[in-house]
This record gives sequence, C-alpha cells and structure tokens, in this order.
Amino acid sequence: QVQLVQSGAEVRKPGASVKVSCKASGYIFSGYHIHWVRQAPGQGLEWMGRINPTSGGANYAQKFQDRVAMTRDTSISTAYLELSRLKSDDTAVYFCAREQGPLNMILHFDNWGQGTLVTVSS
Amino acid sequence: ETVMTQSPATLSVSPGERATLSCRASQNINYNLAWFQQKPGQAPRLLIYGASTRATGIPARFSGSGSGAEFTLTISSLQSDDFAVYFCQQYYNWPPWTFGQGTKVEIK
Repeated sequence: QVQLVQSGAEVRKPGASVKVSCKASGYIFSGYHIHWVRQAPGQGLEWMGRINPTSGGANYAQKFQDRVAMTRDTSISTAYLELSRLKSDDTAVYFCAREQGPLNMILHFDNWGQGTLVTVSS
Repeated sequence: ETVMTQSPATLSVSPGERATLSCRASQNINYNLAWFQQKPGQAPRLLIYGASTRATGIPARFSGSGSGAEFTLTISSLQSDDFAVYFCQQYYNWPPWTFGQGTKVEIK
C-alpha cells in the first residue's frame, strides 16, 4: 500500500534552517508529484509547494519563494523540504502529500505523510 | 489566488443526525474540489475528490455535491468517529493549491 513516512520532530533557533524528509513506498516514486503543506498550531492548512520527482522541477508558493527548497533523491524514493531563515511563526506541523497521477494532469492529494513538527524557538 | 471559504466554522450535531458543510470558491473551479477529514494529531484523510467521488474505503454516508464555486459535503447520519475537522481544497486554479479554513463538527 502507498505510504509516506516523514522524519522526526525538529527544534531550531530563529535564523536557522531545517530539512524534513518524506520517504515513499508502495508505488513508483517518479510517477507522482509530492506536495508540502504546513499547519500552524490550531490553524488551517497552507500549501507550500510541490516537486516533480522525475524532473526535479518545483513550484513554490510566493510566500516561501526566497527561502524554500524542495528536492528529491529518486534512488531512495525520498522527497525533501528545506526551509531557511526560520522565524517563530514557522512553528508548525509539515506534511508531505502525494498528488494522484499522472504527472501531466492536476489532481487531488490522495495520501499524506504523518507530519513532522518543527518548533522554532530561541 | 482562489480563496476557499467554509461555513459554518463550527457545527454542533447529535449522533445520528445529518450534517451539511459548505465550501465556496472565489472563482470557478469546475469540479476540482476535494474534501478531507482531520482528527487531532493526525494527517488529513481524503474523503471526496472531483466534488462528488468518494475515495477508496470511505463510507456511503459521506457525499459531495456542487460545481463551479459552490460545494457541499453531507454526512447523512453522524457516527461517533465522524466528529473531526473537515477541509475543502481546490486544485483547478494553481499555483497555489488552496484550502478552506475548516469546519469543526462537534457533538451537540
């Protein structure tokens, strides 16, 4: 079955960077976009961007454009989210989610990782 | 950016009753709308996509309707397991993909 397993919780100081991983299994990794969505405590869901695992090309939300990077390692079926210059309001749970395929269509998110809590505090 | 607005923010319902949740888009999104259920400490779970198609394993008491800019999620007879927060999401006008702010369904 499709599974997305994320790395564990992180604590960072303001100004630092964090890198979260999302390991996929149960399907062909290169065939489906991976999106990243975050949720601040008690808040809604905020889309951050997506990566095409085949090409490595990414689309980012304008809000994060200058401090986010989404990459992937196809050899281990893993996508990564790196967020730099962290601020206290970046404290949130970060989710990866698979977009139903194929890559040349825009479809819904059908599977989600369990989430990774990133805490930014001095 | 397409803004998604959900109403009400909180819905108090007794078990066995019907719940009706609304989601409005700020512009046409055709049928490209999904509904998710989220429980505390968990990831969202896909319920409905294409405005009205139930995802695999989702009980028939969940149904979705609508097109264009107005959508509804109906839970025909609430079970104890259904008390949660529900989000809608559009995937027609992108980027960005956008979510509603959520409707919390609580026990009356």
